[in-house]
Amino acid sequence: EAAVTQSPRSKVAVTGGKVTLSCHQTNNHDYMYWYRQDTGHGLRLIHYSYVADSTEKGDIPDGYKASRPSQENFSLILELASLSQTAVYFCASSERQGSRSYEQYFGPGTRLTVL
Amino acid sequence: GMPVEQNPPALSLYEGADSGLRCNFSTTMKSVQWFQQNHRGRLITLFYLAQGTKENGRLKSTFNSKERYSTLHIKDAQLEDSGTYFCAAEGSNTDKVVFGTGTRLQVSP
Repeated sequence: EAAVTQSPRSKVAVTGGKVTLSCHQTNNHDYMYWYRQDTGHGLRLIHYSYVADSTEKGDIPDGYKASRPSQENFSLILELASLSQTAVYFCASSERQGSRSYEQYFGPGTRLTVL
Repeated sequence: GMPVEQNPPALSLYEGADSGLRCNFSTTMKSVQWFQQNHRGRLITLFYLAQGTKENGRLKSTFNSKERYSTLHIKDAQLEDSGTYFCAAEGSNTDKVVFGTGTRLQVSP
């Protein structure tokens, strides 16, 4: 069964500090995504990647960097965490063949609180 | 406007009732996925559709790319159906998926 794991599951960070969120998938999927969800809202795409060593900007990339060192791993990096980045972060993976896309499989989420 | 408009924002049902949720798209979408987010925040995939209609138990979803909408129908609502439901659609000319704003469903005895 498809599996996407995230670590940590929750984190408290200080303003201005560096935060790294990690995502690991065992689905052998090419595509991986990072989303954030704010309380009472839907998910918004931050960064995504379709191949190792390459990342693409999503809809709200400002203040975030991403790293895809291997097909299985995708990290989200907040170099200077800010209060506005308090949210729940979801990682997802999906398969793709040419222009045909497939469903996204989501991890359990990471709750980040910036103080 | 928003590329994905989801309605209603909130819905209250009694057990046994039937109801539907709808997402309208401002552009042509390639596919749609429906999720339930449970009380723990976990996203549970309900359906993935590139076209047509799918059914799973008491749930049924339709995606009409040409008419730019998708629906999720819940039949015989149960307490465990409570949660927030999201649609997420992928544009025809993009790798990105855009989420609707969600429908918060409360099922009462």
